Amino acid sequence: DTGVSQDPRHKITKRGQNVTFRCDPISEHNRLYWYRQTLGQGPEFLTYFQNEAQLEKSRLLSDRFSAERPKGSFSTLEIQRTEQGDSAMYLCASSQASIGETQYFGPGTRLLVL
Amino acid sequence: AQSVTQLDSQVPVFEEAPVELRCNYSSSVSVYLFWYVQYPNQGLQLLLKYLSGSTLVKGINGFEAEFNKSQTSFHLRKPSVHISDTAEYFCAVKGTGNQFYFGTGTSLTVIP
Repeated sequence: DTGVSQDPRHKITKRGQNVTFRCDPISEHNRLYWYRQTLGQGPEFLTYFQNEAQLEKSRLLSDRFSAERPKGSFSTLEIQRTEQGDSAMYLCASSQASIGETQYFGPGTRLLVL
Repeated sequence: AQSVTQLDSQVPVFEEAPVELRCNYSSSVSVYLFWYVQYPNQGLQLLLKYLSGSTLVKGINGFEAEFNKSQTSFHLRKPSVHISDTAEYFCAVKGTGNQFYFGTGTSLTVIP
């Protein structure tokens, strides 16, 4: 068990560019969550998958954000036409579906939009 | 909808002193409650969780929390803190859906 990994760890981009982040969950976990965390705030839910199906999306999630989990294993989060307000830490977590599931978090991808 | 309030953004405490980090939640349904810790430059890791049963929950590193339904609280406690407990602590709630709602965090600083 190598834990949840995220790539890249840091990303600097110019406003208007597209960026893509990758998350590799713990292999036997069927749920995968994406969160956004800004300074002084807790993680904010963006979306989650059960296997390959995207089951919930936050109403706060702009149309510029899209996430996939094509084979029910790794997931990607893409942000199109980035804005300065997208600057944040993007966290991925995985879990095994249950009532009181424990989420295991990755180290995050820190995005800076200039 | 559920929400979480962590009343203290920063808590300084001397080494070996007790500490309590406060968490209140709002929900119209039964909830599951969690405390996570985030050490500098690391991902969040679970300290403890309340699902049902005994309202006093024990977690890792000597932490415990008590679920109080009437006060809608889930405060985290440790009788004697160590320097290594310096970190950010997040309270989270999960309701009937599968979304987790996190508080804004409490920064615990242990002073030698």
